[in-house]
Amino acid sequence: EAGVAQSPRYKIIEKRQSVAFWCNPISGHATLYWYQQILGQGPKLLIQFQNNGVVDDSQLPKDRFSAERLKGVDSTLKIQPAKLEDSAVYLCASSLVGHSGDDEQFFGPGTRLTVL
Amino acid sequence: AQKVTQAQTEISVVEKEDVTLDCVYETRDTTYYLFWYKQPPSGELVFLIRRNSFDEQNEISGRYSWNFQKSTSSFNFTITASQVVDSAVYFCALMNTGGFKTIFGAGTRLFVKA
Repeated sequence: EAGVAQSPRYKIIEKRQSVAFWCNPISGHATLYWYQQILGQGPKLLIQFQNNGVVDDSQLPKDRFSAERLKGVDSTLKIQPAKLEDSAVYLCASSLVGHSGDDEQFFGPGTRLTVL
Repeated sequence: AQKVTQAQTEISVVEKEDVTLDCVYETRDTTYYLFWYKQPPSGELVFLIRRNSFDEQNEISGRYSWNFQKSTSSFNFTITASQVVDSAVYFCALMNTGGFKTIFGAGTRLFVKA
């Protein structure tokens, strides 16, 4: 079974530029998560989708970050414009159901973003 | 408020030593889940264990064991006879059953030297 795929793996941009990340979850998984992991910290949930609807985006900086999950499968996370403090690893995860503690989250390899 | 504290930032041990990673959590919920994840240098988080708040039984899986104590709000993780391959960052996490949102601790970086 293929895991969670993310691209690109690395991205370097200048501040005020735009960037987009892509995630392909495990086939059949209804729930998709985007996390931001700043160096030396644990992952922080940015947004959670259930199929193509948003369940939680309370920690998403909506003035610059946006995310979509069209057709309830792939997802893109965009930052526009980027700031220095957005430098982090962006992790995508998926789970079969989502609204259960017995449901395991599977993580992708992440995209490491550096903003100069 | 919900919070996960991993007070140990880095731990360094010599191979074959036992090591315990501490995790203390805060929550007002009576029903919740606790997790441990491993993040090797490759970056992907790997699920290790899940515990719900009603199950205080300790668990052993090979060289890994977990001690869950509700009285002290702790969920500690012990690696017995550590190996170099255990070198990674380990995260403790808490999930509430309201929105099923997972909160991670800051992680403990474990170095196992040969």
